[in-house]
Amino acid sequence: GENVEQHPSTLSVQEGDSAVIKCTYSDSASNYFPWYKQELGKGPQLIIDIRSNVGEKKDQRIAVTLNKTAKHFSLHITETQPEDSAVYFCAASTGSARQLTFGSGTQLTVLP
Amino acid sequence: DVKVTQSSRYLVKRTGEKVFLECVQDMDHENMFWYRQDPGLGLRLIYFSYDVKMKEKGDIPEGYSVSREKKERFSLILESASTNQTSMYLCASSPWTSGSKSYEQYFGPGTRLTVT
Repeated sequence: GENVEQHPSTLSVQEGDSAVIKCTYSDSASNYFPWYKQELGKGPQLIIDIRSNVGEKKDQRIAVTLNKTAKHFSLHITETQPEDSAVYFCAASTGSARQLTFGSGTQLTVLP
Repeated sequence: DVKVTQSSRYLVKRTGEKVFLECVQDMDHENMFWYRQDPGLGLRLIYFSYDVKMKEKGDIPEGYSVSREKKERFSLILESASTNQTSMYLCASSPWTSGSKSYEQYFGPGTRLTVT
C-alpha cells in the first residue's frame, strides 16, 4: 500500500518568514495530494490540494508543489502569521481508492 | 457548512469494557471514515464505509469493528478495550463518488479515549 513520509516533525519560524514542509510518497499511482491543517482541539481541515496533472498550485499565502518523477510534494507558507501555528498533515490518494494515506504531521510554531 | 459531530470529546473506560464511539454527519455524504491519531504516527485509517451497511478495513482494523445502519451515522466499536487503544479518534465524511470532483474529507473534533 501507499506510504507517506513527512518532514520535519516540528518547525519554528519567526513571524513573517516562510515555512516549507516536505512529503514523499511511494505509490506511483497516487494522483491526489491534499494538505490538512489541525488547530488545537479541532479536527483537521483541508487547506489546499493538488492533482497529478498540475505541478504547482497557489492560494494566497500558501502553495503546493508536486514533483511526480521524484514522488515528493511540498507545502509553502509565506509571510507566516501566529494563526498559522498548527499541525499540518500531507496525504496521498489514488483517487479511485477513496481513502487517504496521511503523513505523520508537522507541528508549525510561528514566533511573534 | 458541513458538520461532523462525535458523541464525546473525552471518554475514560476500563480494560475489557465494550466501547461505542458515535459519529454523525449532516451533509448526506456517501463515505465515512474512522481514524486514530497518535503523536508521531499521524492519522491511521481504522475502517471506512462507502454506503449503508458497507464497510471496509483500513490499515489498522484489529481490535475494532464498525456499524453503519443509517447513511448519516457511523459507529466505531471496541469489543474489549485495551490500554493500547488509548488514543484520539477522529471521524470524517466525504462526498466522493466515482463521478465527483471533490475528494475533501470533513473531520469531527475528535474523541480522546483513555483506557485504564
